[in-house]
Amino acid sequence: NAGVTQTPKFRILKIGQSMTLQCTQDMNHNYMYWYRQDPGMGLKLIYYSVGAGITDKGEVPNGYNVSRSTTEDFPLRLELAAPSQTSVYFCASRVTGGGYNEQFFGPGTRLTVL
Amino acid sequence: AQSVAQPEDQVNVAEGNPLTVKCTYSVSGNPYLFWYVQYPNRGLQFLLKYITGDNLVKGSYGFEAEFNKSQTSFHLKKPSALVSDSALYFCAVRDDYNQGGKLIFGQGTELSVKP
Repeated sequence: NAGVTQTPKFRILKIGQSMTLQCTQDMNHNYMYWYRQDPGMGLKLIYYSVGAGITDKGEVPNGYNVSRSTTEDFPLRLELAAPSQTSVYFCASRVTGGGYNEQFFGPGTRLTVL
Repeated sequence: AQSVAQPEDQVNVAEGNPLTVKCTYSVSGNPYLFWYVQYPNRGLQFLLKYITGDNLVKGSYGFEAEFNKSQTSFHLKKPSALVSDSALYFCAVRDDYNQGGKLIFGQGTELSVKP
């Protein structure tokens, strides 16, 4: 299994541009998450999904959108990039059935908005 | 509200010495606690978790953690540190009630192990 994969690894955007961060998992996990990590901070939840076709907002959803058309894929969309969105973005997934199952994380996407 | 705190931004240890990375938590209900490690420019890797049962939890790479209910702590430990253990360590608690069982993270502790 490849686990959780993310593309791209790095990206530089200009203010106002848009982009999609890709996330794919091959573990047949129903739950998927997008977090952002800012320096000196823990991770904050942006959006999450409990299964294909079902998504909901996390703690810091403003400026982002998601979709979940398949179990495997959970892309994150930035429509109008702003400097405040400069961060490292992590996708994660876990199995259903008890929230005590650990989340598996992708390698991250480092985004800079100039 | 659920929360975790890691009181130390950085921990420095000599190779071969025991290490402890501290974490305290605040939850309503049963605590589901996790430790993750992040190596430079990498994603988070799961180390261990506490769900219920034995207060001493063993995990990957020789790490263990001690759950203490009375002190609301979940400290990460290793008997003999390696230089390769140098990394950023995150304690996390599962939010039982909100947002798909999201993890709430501490701010992280940078562990530096010197030869």
